[in-house]
Amino acid sequence: DADVTQTPRNRITKTGKRIMLECSQTKGHDRMYWYRQDPGLGLRLIYYSFDVKDINKGEISDGYSVSRQAQAKFSLSLESAIPNQTALYFCATSDSGGTVAFFGQGTRLTVV
Amino acid sequence: AQKVTQAQTEISVVEKEDVTLDCVYETRDTTYYLFWYKQPPSGELVFLIRRNSFDEQNEISGRYSWNFQKSTSSFNFTITASQVVDSAVYFCVLGGNNQGGKLIFGQGTELSVKP
Repeated sequence: DADVTQTPRNRITKTGKRIMLECSQTKGHDRMYWYRQDPGLGLRLIYYSFDVKDINKGEISDGYSVSRQAQAKFSLSLESAIPNQTALYFCATSDSGGTVAFFGQGTRLTVV
Repeated sequence: AQKVTQAQTEISVVEKEDVTLDCVYETRDTTYYLFWYKQPPSGELVFLIRRNSFDEQNEISGRYSWNFQKSTSSFNFTITASQVVDSAVYFCVLGGNNQGGKLIFGQGTELSVKP
């Protein structure tokens, strides 16, 4: 099994729909992250969590929400999807010192 | 502020040429980590190397080599004798504990190796 698993891998949804992207990890890391990738912009941080009770906004959190259900699970929600949220989304984990990082395979989301 | 700059947006080379990808970073932290990731056309992020701020020893691994220089805040990556399979987007990443544990990505360099 992969260290960091994202579901779904691909999703097409309609404008205005609520959608949840899920992430689970087997690394035992406290820190989890959601990033968004758009062409030419690298990866931008949406939300991050240092433990179950600690959730923080990243640089582009508007239109998104997250839930840290357990140490191993971190979900990203789009409450009302819009077309400019079409992107490749990555979940990541890291140890407490930020010395290593593991990424999921990515979720390709298309909002039509 | 923490920042990573990859000035080269796209690079195109012919197979067997050597190619260097540049990375310049900014941080006020004394302890930090630098990473290189490769993203092939399939989309996943593949870890290549990590360096911590106290280890300026450069490394060679097969056709890959890395040049870390704190004096110029640079962490460059060289592929020797490039191959078509090296075609990908390469990201330089700054990490560590002091910037809130966040990973700061450069914009990426798209490398195209032509046969």
